[in-house]
Amino acid sequence: KQEVTQIPAALSVPEGENLVLNCSFTDSAIYNLQWFRQDPGKGLTSLLLIQSSQREQTSGRLNASLDKSSGRSTLYIAASQPGDSATYLCAAYTGTASKLTFGTGTRLQVTL
Amino acid sequence: DVKVTQSSRYLVKRTGEKVFLECVQDMDHENMFWYRQDPGLGLRLIYFSYDVKMKEKGDIPEGYSVSREKKERFSLILESASTNQTSMYLCASSSRRPPWEQYFGPGTRLTVT
Repeated sequence: KQEVTQIPAALSVPEGENLVLNCSFTDSAIYNLQWFRQDPGKGLTSLLLIQSSQREQTSGRLNASLDKSSGRSTLYIAASQPGDSATYLCAAYTGTASKLTFGTGTRLQVTL
Repeated sequence: DVKVTQSSRYLVKRTGEKVFLECVQDMDHENMFWYRQDPGLGLRLIYFSYDVKMKEKGDIPEGYSVSREKKERFSLILESASTNQTSMYLCASSSRRPPWEQYFGPGTRLTVT
């Protein structure tokens, strides 16, 4: 059974710092890996989806990488801003292709 | 622009009531999903559907049922609500074709008293 872990559970950084969020998964036979953002009390907003044939995806200040052999994905946020404060979730598509297994998230706070 | 909507943002129900949560998507997606999210436990899959009238149990189906009579609509039913079903409920949809990206609704915060 796929298990997805995100470390750390919480992170606080000053504005302007570059930072990396980590995601690890136990079953390397994944189809895709997706990163989401969730603001308090809200739904999930998709940030990036990396297909199994890809090694990374970029959107603006965000860059996500995928290393299936080591069971790891990272989300890099450049020049962090207070508006980046949210919980970041990673999720792996495994087994029946449409099903997602989620990590428990990293709660990010960017301070002024 | 893709859109998944949920019938209520906040809902308060009493123990024993029958509760309906509705989800509608406008992307002509074949797959639809219901999750619940709880602190420390993350998102867990309750039920999913691959097609109209098709349903399969997820990881935590006990106490829930679902209905999919039309392609765009997927309903989650709590037959007799209990306090341990107080949670955030999230609906999602995806295409049957790769990359199967799931799109989420805004969530329904359900409180059972």
